[in-house]
Amino acid sequence: GAVVSQHPSRVICKSGTSVKIECRSLDFQATTMFWYRQFPKQSLMLMATSNEGSKATYEQGVEKDKFLINHASLTLSTLTVTSAHPEDSSFYICSARLAGGLMYNEQFFGPGTRLTVL
Amino acid sequence: KQEVTQIPAALSVPEGENLVLNCSFTDSAIYNLQWFRQDPGKGLTSLLLIQSSQREQTSGRLNASLDKSSGRSTLYIAASQPGDSATYLCAVKGDNQGGKLIFGQGTELSVKP
Repeated sequence: GAVVSQHPSRVICKSGTSVKIECRSLDFQATTMFWYRQFPKQSLMLMATSNEGSKATYEQGVEKDKFLINHASLTLSTLTVTSAHPEDSSFYICSARLAGGLMYNEQFFGPGTRLTVL
Repeated sequence: KQEVTQIPAALSVPEGENLVLNCSFTDSAIYNLQWFRQDPGKGLTSLLLIQSSQREQTSGRLNASLDKSSGRSTLYIAASQPGDSATYLCAVKGDNQGGKLIFGQGTELSVKP
């Protein structure tokens, strides 16, 4: 149980295009999903917290107009990197927290999406 | 602001050795601490989760301890195997961070056959 999937697993795009990454909780409902970014040899940095049916909360320094987050259902959140540039190339990981529980409930992580912007 | 530090950044050991990975955090007001494994280019696999009221958790050859008052946790791996080679991340969920997970930089472990 508690499986989180991401799609696509890998994407290569040209500079200036937009890329959408999906995060799904497969066997549970997730009120809250989190989006992280990881650069090579570095740790995970939280980008934003996504709550179903409301606007996402972005961490300091993360451009909300560049990284659009939509959490339209209890099992799906999407991250759209708009007008991607080479510096946006990174590993993006989502996690999902069980619905109906405390904010301290365990998070379950997806397998990540490798974005390469040429 | 919570900061999580992991030492060493990298570790190379021969197969069969017992080893210890360290994690320290600056704000002791945590709800829990979690150890993860990450293989190259992959997502995270949760290894052990220790609640703030607990002192340790064990799973197979892994044992994680937590000393909340001193802001430290250790991950002990017994009889290491080449398959244990990966990056190990610790993360804390703090009372003062709205339930967010704060990650350390990780320890990259290489176990040589």
